[in-house]
Amino acid sequence: GQNIDQPTEMTATEGAIVQINCTYQTSGFNGLFWYQQHAGEAPTFLSYNVLDGLEEKGRFSSFLSRSKGYSYLLLKELQMKDSASYLCAVKGASGGSYIPTFGRGTSLIVHP
Amino acid sequence: GAVVSQHPSWVICKSGTSVKIECRSLDFQATTMFWYRQFPKQSLMLMATSNEGSKATYEQGVEKDKFLINHASLTLSTLTVTSAHPEDSSFYICSASSGRSSYEQYFGPGTRLTVT
Repeated sequence: GQNIDQPTEMTATEGAIVQINCTYQTSGFNGLFWYQQHAGEAPTFLSYNVLDGLEEKGRFSSFLSRSKGYSYLLLKELQMKDSASYLCAVKGASGGSYIPTFGRGTSLIVHP
Repeated sequence: GAVVSQHPSWVICKSGTSVKIECRSLDFQATTMFWYRQFPKQSLMLMATSNEGSKATYEQGVEKDKFLINHASLTLSTLTVTSAHPEDSSFYICSASSGRSSYEQYFGPGTRLTVT
């Protein structure tokens, strides 16, 4: 089976930095994703990590440690529009094919 | 970029009726399509995976006779919720993969189903 754990809710101030953690246990590993989802909308792709280390993309960075089953999403220079749910998803092995499993998401509230 | 559309974006139906949701890849051929369900403040739960021209693979606990999936072409998959009940009210999201990349998955905008 697969288990993905991330905090339910976080709050931060506009202009600040926030780190959203994700821990996972999976049978097989073929990559970890971060998605952003605004209420009532479909998720949008933010990042994909398959090797250990930090991937930086503008204000967003994602880190992976496969040995620790751990990832984080780092958001810098927070803006009000960053208020959304952030979903960690892991591609393990399900029935022989690699299907991503989503965590419950972390609701980020950015306030002025 | 790759675009996936869903129709309808929202639908209200009476208990006992059936509802069909369409998922289309607009500018690429989707070898695989996924159907997810998301309840309020919950994560996306994978319901089934479908490959063009073959039967869908359903996740454990998902009734294949209730949630009919047809992936008739490389650009269209449909999900039919048969004999809908209020507990089927949810946000249904499809995603599509061209198979060219091991990780790319493009999500549709979702369909909000309310069963009264």
